[in-house]
Amino acid sequence: QSVLTQPPSVSTAPGQKVTISCSGSSSNIGNNYVSWYQQFPGTAPKLLIYENNKRPSGIPDRFSGSKSGTSATLGITGLQTGDEADYYCGTWDTNLGAGVFGGGTKLTVL
Amino acid sequence: QLQLQESGPGLVQPSETLSLTCTVSGGSISTTNHHWGWIRQPPGKGLEWIGIIYYRGSTSYNPSLKSRVTISIDTSKNDFYLHLSSVTAADTALYYCARRHYGSATFDYWGPGTLVTVSS
Repeated sequence: QSVLTQPPSVSTAPGQKVTISCSGSSSNIGNNYVSWYQQFPGTAPKLLIYENNKRPSGIPDRFSGSKSGTSATLGITGLQTGDEADYYCGTWDTNLGAGVFGGGTKLTVL
Repeated sequence: QLQLQESGPGLVQPSETLSLTCTVSGGSISTTNHHWGWIRQPPGKGLEWIGIIYYRGSTSYNPSLKSRVTISIDTSKNDFYLHLSSVTAADTALYYCARRHYGSATFDYWGPGTLVTVSS
């Protein structure tokens, strides 16, 4: 059972938009930065979003992040079949004194 | 370009200690702005945060693993290490090392991962 809650899966059509939620509490998302990672099968996770809504160099602006209260959201527009992957949110948990990840969301682009 | 590479035994006996090395190249491990961390992923499952270490040696561990985990660092070799004791089949996973930004708690560079199987 993950400290951060994500939907196990989401699906949508090419060209559409999707949002992936990440729900936590005041000890983690509510008072700490959120990051998002993209993972393709057989490869290491790749940083997509850091500090809630910032994109590293090389990440297209189709990917966006936001945070409100104890929840965070990853948004992806103009979906492509190449976006099919697992997506994870992560943050620090002040009460645990450790980092935490969401359970991951499998994105399917039909 | 910073690169991280995990290395160590791919098979560990139950009740033994799992030991992995992360070799950092293309940059110094003795940086004030970063921690160095370990994350694992059991086959077909999600990511689990194991722990982090600062170049001066301070550490933070996942409470669920704290009694069995030790992370250490050797700045002269630009390496850091993971030791997990008393392993069971539940510790079978892909183990990743990564660089974590101090301020944002973000893992921005990852190694490719190494699979460790616990089995007799």
